[in-house]
This record gives sequence, C-alpha cells and structure tokens, in this order.
Amino acid sequence: EVQLVESGGGLVQPGGSLRLSCAASGFTFSSHWIHWVRQGPGKGLVWVSRINEHGTDKMYADSVKGRFTISRDNAKNTVFLQMNSLRAEDTAVYYCVRDEALWRLDYWGQGTLVTVSS
Amino acid sequence: QSALTQPASVSGSPGQSITISCTGTIRDVGGYKYVSWYQQHPGKAPKLIIYEINNRPSGVSDRFSGSKSGNTASLTISGLQAEDEADYYCISFTFINTGVFGGGTKLTVL
Repeated sequence: EVQLVESGGGLVQPGGSLRLSCAASGFTFSSHWIHWVRQGPGKGLVWVSRINEHGTDKMYADSVKGRFTISRDNAKNTVFLQMNSLRAEDTAVYYCVRDEALWRLDYWGQGTLVTVSS
Repeated sequence: QSALTQPASVSGSPGQSITISCTGTIRDVGGYKYVSWYQQHPGKAPKLIIYEINNRPSGVSDRFSGSKSGNTASLTISGLQAEDEADYYCISFTFINTGVFGGGTKLTVL
C-alpha cells in the first residue's frame, strides 16, 4: 500500500524556519517525482514545489522561490521541504504528493499544518 | 503564475450532469495535455479523478469525464450523486515547468 506521511509542521514565528519531512513507503520511491502542495485555512490548493526522482531537478512556485528548498534522500525514502523566512501567508496544510507520471498526482499524504504567527 | 479560473460554485440535482470549467492560457492549459482534476471532501486529502485531460485512474467512476478546448479544460460529472458533493480543483503544467491550480469549485448536490 502506497503511503506518504508528512511531519514537522507546527507553530513558528514570522521570519522563522521549519523543515517538513515526507516519509514514503509501498512503492519504488526512487522512480517518482514528489510534489509539495499547500492549502491555506478555508482556501484552495496551491502548488509549491517538485523534485525529480534523482533530486537533480527542482522547481518552485514564485511565492516560495528563494525561501523554500526541496530535497530528497532516496536511501531513506524521504523528501524534505526546508522553509525559511516564513510569512503569515505561508500558513497552510502542506501535502506531500506522489507523481505517477508527468503531473499525475496520484497519492497524497494527510498533510501537516504549518502556522506562522507571533 | 496566476491561478487558473474556475467557477466558485456549481450545483445540480441528483441524476443531472454538471460541467466545471478551468480556464488558463496558451502557456498552461492551452499548451499542454498535462491537465488533471482532483476531488476533495471536507477534511480530507484531494483525490485524483482525471489526468492528462481525459483519462480516469482505475477505480474512478466513469461518470467523471474530462475534455479540453483551446485554453479551457472541463470536468463533467454525469448522473450526479449525493457523494459527489465536494470541492473540485484543476491543475496544469506550465511553460516554465511549474504547476498551477485553479481556484477550486464547490459542487452542491441539491
């Protein structure tokens, strides 16, 4: 069974940092791109970032570019999202999502809540 | 990258058909076949229901179908059922190799 389990969310002050993790199981992790998608309270889905299967190609939404860094450890079947210079508008549930092939986002984690507030 | 445009809400009675549009530009929806649709029930993670414009993953009802014309993709749900009441989102690949979601559409089954 494919599983994606996010962790690392919590309350952080504006300007602070947080590192999210996504532990994957039930599939060949090193063969899949992974995305992060977020959803603010009562708001819609927003694409944040994605990393290719080797960790060599990374893309970011303009709203997080230069502040967030995506990475992966294929030996540990884990993807990370390092979030720096956090702002109130980054408050959201962050989902880790498997890409089956070319933007087919077929498995989603349950999400981890990040709250940026003083 | 601006969000794709979806109607905020649509509604229909059980058994009817509804269509949700997702409008972008030639730099996203109009330029690529990588448009997919997701269903999200309250408090739940989204679920993939259509990929590459008009393909259904195994296990998704054939009442769900997708299409595209120009810069607009569409999701049609036929034979509406109470369980279809949810939020629906489209996403497209973009010319700068990123993704962009629509704002989401709340479907109400009357």
